[in-house]
Amino acid sequence: QSALTQPASVSGSPGQSITISCTGTTSDVGAFDYVSWYQQHPGKAPKLIIYDVHNRPSGVSSRFSGSKSGNTASLTISGLQAEDEADYYCSSRTTSATLRFGGGTKLTVL
Amino acid sequence: EVQLVESGGGLVQPGGSLRLSCAASGFTLNDYWMHWVRRVPGKGLVWVSRMNGDGKTINYADSVKGRFTISRDNAKNTVYLQMNSLRAEDTAIYYCARDLAAAAGPALESWGQGTLVTVSS
Repeated sequence: QSALTQPASVSGSPGQSITISCTGTTSDVGAFDYVSWYQQHPGKAPKLIIYDVHNRPSGVSSRFSGSKSGNTASLTISGLQAEDEADYYCSSRTTSATLRFGGGTKLTVL
Repeated sequence: EVQLVESGGGLVQPGGSLRLSCAASGFTLNDYWMHWVRRVPGKGLVWVSRMNGDGKTINYADSVKGRFTISRDNAKNTVYLQMNSLRAEDTAIYYCARDLAAAAGPALESWGQGTLVTVSS
């Protein structure tokens, strides 16, 4: 079971917007609108920031948004802030009823 | 307040067994899907297993199928992960997590702090 494909790293300056891609296949990302995104700071547990492609859990900033086209999902963070510096992971349900995570993307706020 | 507390991690030899526990509080366990996810230090998250509220639907990652068993005791509000035939590549921090009820698909809303499993001779 290969991981979903994410860029290893992205960076941006405070106030800018960045987008992280998450590419899968017709057996996962392309099969369902069940993509989630997680933020993980060092030494902390992951935090759910987007679910079902574009929904935000209560309390998550509107600066985070999600979308999907075909086999690729995307997370956009607008108005970058220093505290956004973290690792970000996408996940998707698969046609085998399992869950698959992306390899993770390290976001650096310059 | 929702809380998940994992325990049971430690050092085990290859081929050995461990049972992880995840004590839940602040919600009723049998209303939710529960998951185990692991993270190898310095690497990414890997999903391990999940079980639905009544325990009748269970799924495993191919890498652990036949070796790991997820279970739950709703009376104790605890989820377990029995890990047998452990390998060096199972070394990781293991998290339990609860699904978001409002989500249509899997969305791990609440996470424990993790417990470290080290498989080494």
